[in-house]
Amino acid sequence: QSALTQPASVSGSPGQSITISCTGTGRDVGGYNYVSWYQQHPGKAPKLIIFQVSSRPSGIPNRFSASKSGNTASLTISGLQAEDEADYYCSSYTYSSSVIFGGGTKLTVL
Amino acid sequence: QVRLVESGGGVVKPGGSLRLSCAASGFRFRDHYASWIRQTPGKGLECLSYISSSTNTKYYADSVKGRFTISRDNAKSSLFLQMDSLRDDDTAVYYCASSLTDMRGGIDYWGQGTLVTVSS
Repeated sequence: QSALTQPASVSGSPGQSITISCTGTGRDVGGYNYVSWYQQHPGKAPKLIIFQVSSRPSGIPNRFSASKSGNTASLTISGLQAEDEADYYCSSYTYSSSVIFGGGTKLTVL
Repeated sequence: QVRLVESGGGVVKPGGSLRLSCAASGFRFRDHYASWIRQTPGKGLECLSYISSSTNTKYYADSVKGRFTISRDNAKSSLFLQMDSLRDDDTAVYYCASSLTDMRGGIDYWGQGTLVTVSS
């Protein structure tokens, strides 16, 4: 099972919005509403910020939103803040009951 | 406070074995799926194996199938990963993780990770 495709990096200024894409296939992203997104700061473990395409766990601010269209999922962060600078990973459940991740996107807050 | 604490990482020679342990606290570990995820700079995050609360369901990634074995002790809120026939490309940070629903709902809790280095 191949990894999901994410851009290597994105950047934005404080207060702006950015969107990170995550492209898979009909056997993962497109076939199921089981896409998750994780935020990872340097030296830390990943943290779940979105599950089941667009749901936020308790405590995650509504500046983080996500959606899916076909085989591509997207994470949008609005009102960028300095602490949002991190790596972001998408993940999807697959037809073979595996869980696969994207290669990660480094977000730089300018 | 939810905690997942891994132990057992270290340096091992190719072909050797290592057993990772994970101690969970702060939530009803026995009710939830648990998994091992590894991370390398080159290959990113990889879900290696997961196990259901009842142990009826187990999954292994092709990269570790036949070499790694996942198990859990719900009475002790612990998760294990027996790693045999280790290879150079098994070098990674290994995370213990748990999902409040099943693996489809995302991975809610993560440990701090333990480094495994396979090198001669």
